[in-house]
Amino acid sequence: AQSVAQPEDQVNVAEGNPLTVKCTYSVSGNPYLFWYVQYPNRGLQFLLKYITGDNLVKGSYGFEAEFNKSQTSFHLKKPSALVSDSALYFCAVRDMDSGAGSYQLTFGKGTKLSVIP
Amino acid sequence: DADVTQTPRNRITKTGKRIMLECSQTKGHDRMYWYRQDPGLGLRLIYYSFDVKDINKGEISDGYSVSRQAQAKFSLSLESAIPNQTALYFCATGGRGVNQPQHFGDGTRLSIL
Repeated sequence: AQSVAQPEDQVNVAEGNPLTVKCTYSVSGNPYLFWYVQYPNRGLQFLLKYITGDNLVKGSYGFEAEFNKSQTSFHLKKPSALVSDSALYFCAVRDMDSGAGSYQLTFGKGTKLSVIP
Repeated sequence: DADVTQTPRNRITKTGKRIMLECSQTKGHDRMYWYRQDPGLGLRLIYYSFDVKDINKGEISDGYSVSRQAQAKFSLSLESAIPNQTALYFCATGGRGVNQPQHFGDGTRLSIL
């Protein structure tokens, strides 16, 4: 079974400050990890993914994420937050070793990010 | 035009009614998915399809059915709607590689009174 935990329901950060949105995962095999962002009245938009290789992954809109296998974490980061980054963020995992089921994504419950001007 | 289009965007209906939500895509993806989103619960998978002849139940399929009419079309039905099916429903598509992200429509907000 695969699962994702986003321990913070909400994160508040001042504009211009660095931001971190936390994610931990559990899979029986090796993980594919994804971050998505959801703006009001819109579907989820893909931000970035970790497949293999470099533990620091860069994505859209200046976001990056750091994969840590020993801590089973994949935290989303951005050096300088913008008000326009305020949205709902979802972490998702796929177990690459689970055969046909590996096409299923398991999502966290989401973290609401508020960037304060 | 959007790559993944869901209709309707909003629907209010009554308990016991049959409802169909439709999804079409222009991405050429084989894989299509239906999710529901509830506040504080994230997204949960209802059904998924790898091609027209391959339909699979997800985590919460009870009370729902699907039809894959063509590669580009995947509809979700609620045969007899109940209030706890009030939620935001998303259709998504995915490419063939397991490391490919899914692409989402803008959702259908469904309210069952």
